[in-house]
Amino acid sequence: ETGVTQSPTHLIKTRGQQVTLRCSSQSGHNTVSWYQQALGQGPQFIFQYYREEENGRGNFPPRFSGLQFPNYSSELNVNALELDDSALYLCASRLTSGSSDTQYFGPGTRLTVL
Amino acid sequence: AQSVTQPDIHITVSEGASLELRCNYSYGATPYLFWYVQSPGQGLQLLLKYFSGDTLVQGIKGFEAEFKRSQSSFNLRKPSVHWSDAAEYFCAVGARQAGTALIFGKGTTLSVSS
Repeated sequence: ETGVTQSPTHLIKTRGQQVTLRCSSQSGHNTVSWYQQALGQGPQFIFQYYREEENGRGNFPPRFSGLQFPNYSSELNVNALELDDSALYLCASRLTSGSSDTQYFGPGTRLTVL
Repeated sequence: AQSVTQPDIHITVSEGASLELRCNYSYGATPYLFWYVQSPGQGLQLLLKYFSGDTLVQGIKGFEAEFKRSQSSFNLRKPSVHWSDAAEYFCAVGARQAGTALIFGKGTTLSVSS
């Protein structure tokens, strides 16, 4: 049990639609990252938020956007969904401090785009 | 280029036999190294991590890993595999700096035969 929760568990959308995925981090964790895991692949970094500001981004287009809130929750928004967006979306939270910097992952949201 | 290579896509081990999963990395900064395990349909669970110090690290569920800087490797081992260890294993590398992401390998699927 990592203390990181995600909702919904599963989601089905059609091409062109928009989707919002939610993550609730461990209390006190000031950093949240989002990853996309396509079938049979390792997770790929989408972006990271530190104290409600985006401070890192992977090779994903601007239609992938996010928000981090003061209550340790966050959102991943994807506009104009494409078939290739079908994947497991993972959020990970961590407390960036000291010499220990471990990310704790949630169970993920399985997105299917038809 | 920064990358993680897990050379073995799929490994089958007999229950009770020893296990070694290979991981090689290429990273420009001082690496922080991780092994995660993922059961079907689940998120990622941290098995162990290496930040500094003793190059042999112990993790949960009887796993250990050894960091070898000269070989850019961080192989995962377990002396006696249990059927419940069947899962997908991911090696990842990251850095301490804020905004940096974890880079994952493509994973190794472990099957355990009786």
